[in-house]
Amino acid sequence: QQQVKQSPQSLIVQKGGISIINCAYENTAFDYFPWYQQFPGKGPALLIAIRPDVSEKKEGRFTISFNKSAKQFSLHIMDSQPGDSATYFCAASTGSNYKLTFGKGTLLTVNP
Amino acid sequence: GAGVSQTPSNKVTEKGKYVELRCDPISGHTALYWYRQSLGQGPEFLIYFQGTGAADDSGLPNDRFFAVRPEGSVSTLKIQRTERGDSAVYLCASSLTSGLGETQYFGPGTRLLVL
Repeated sequence: QQQVKQSPQSLIVQKGGISIINCAYENTAFDYFPWYQQFPGKGPALLIAIRPDVSEKKEGRFTISFNKSAKQFSLHIMDSQPGDSATYFCAASTGSNYKLTFGKGTLLTVNP
Repeated sequence: GAGVSQTPSNKVTEKGKYVELRCDPISGHTALYWYRQSLGQGPEFLIYFQGTGAADDSGLPNDRFFAVRPEGSVSTLKIQRTERGDSAVYLCASSLTSGLGETQYFGPGTRLLVL
């Protein structure tokens, strides 16, 4: 059972465009939702995270939008740059069990 | 400061052999996690240590997998009688505590190939 579903699998965006990646979860006990960025040959690195008590969080060009009733959250990358080309993973965890449950990832390519 | 380090970076072994993968967490981090990442997939949880004890080993696929953290710092993931299906990247992460929302910092992983 896949508890966190991520889409799309891959995404191609032009430089300066907006990249949008979506995730949906099933477990209503999840209460922490991070996004990780992974470059080839490297481990995932935390990009931005949100708790369900807010509907949006913005850090620089990266924004998480959170819809608790729909059990969905998304990552928006504004003014996408070629250096943003990487695989992005959404994840979730609960307050009682801090292991992260990851989506399958989205391979983002930003063309110059 | 230094991040999470993992050794070896690559390991090639033959089916049936025993392997050990090492993780050095960030100094002072009490929580340590092991994940496994298959090609084209997200990391999957294996085991979590709080200090020296395994607080949650529910992700270990079977009894061929075992992990230790005897002094609450370095951890070793041990795989007995390796199978071709064990081939994956094994990621280690650490966090300052195991509190909700604590950032998990990942190492670069060990790429295991079982021939």
